[in-house]
Amino acid sequence: NAGVTQTPKFQVLKTGQSMTLQCAQDMNHEYMSWYRQDPGMGLRLIHYSVGAGITDQGEVPNGYNVSRSTTEDFPLRLLSAAPSQTSVYFCASSYAVSGDQETQYFGPGTRLLVL
Amino acid sequence: EDQVTQSPEALRLQEGESSSLNCSYTVSGLRGLFWYRQDPGKGPEFLFTLYSAGEEKEKERLKATLTKKESFLHITAPKPEDSATYLCAVREYSSASKIIFGSGTRLSIRP
Repeated sequence: NAGVTQTPKFQVLKTGQSMTLQCAQDMNHEYMSWYRQDPGMGLRLIHYSVGAGITDQGEVPNGYNVSRSTTEDFPLRLLSAAPSQTSVYFCASSYAVSGDQETQYFGPGTRLLVL
Repeated sequence: EDQVTQSPEALRLQEGESSSLNCSYTVSGLRGLFWYRQDPGKGPEFLFTLYSAGEEKEKERLKATLTKKESFLHITAPKPEDSATYLCAVREYSSASKIIFGSGTRLSIRP
């Protein structure tokens, strides 16, 4: 199993540009989520999905869109990049949201710099 | 407001010097508390899940404990390879799909 994969590893954008951060998992996990991590702050939840076709907002959803057309993929779209979106983005997945199978597995992260 | 606070922000220890990291939380109803390890430039790696006060879990030199208001990550006789940022997170009953993370403790072990 490759686990959770994210692409690209690093990206530089200009203000106003759009892009999609890719996330895929091969563990047949139902629950997937996107976080951003900024210095001195904990991981903050952007959007999450409890299964294909179902998405919901987390703590900091503004400026980001998601969709979940398959169990495996959960892309994060930046519609019009802003310097405040400079961060490290992590995708995570788990089989469930409770019980023994709620352990979240994280991807390696995407480092985004918006100029 | 639900909060997760970790202390200290940073901790430097000598190899073999045992210590504890703290995670205090304020949520309406705790469903689970998680500890992760994060190495520089990598994603968090799962360590433990604790569900109820009094519960303890161990893995090598690490031991996690839970009370009604806080959790401790005890590190016994640490080695340089234990150097990392340790993250605490909680999931509450009212919003089981969401996990709230603390800002972490950066642990450095000197040989």
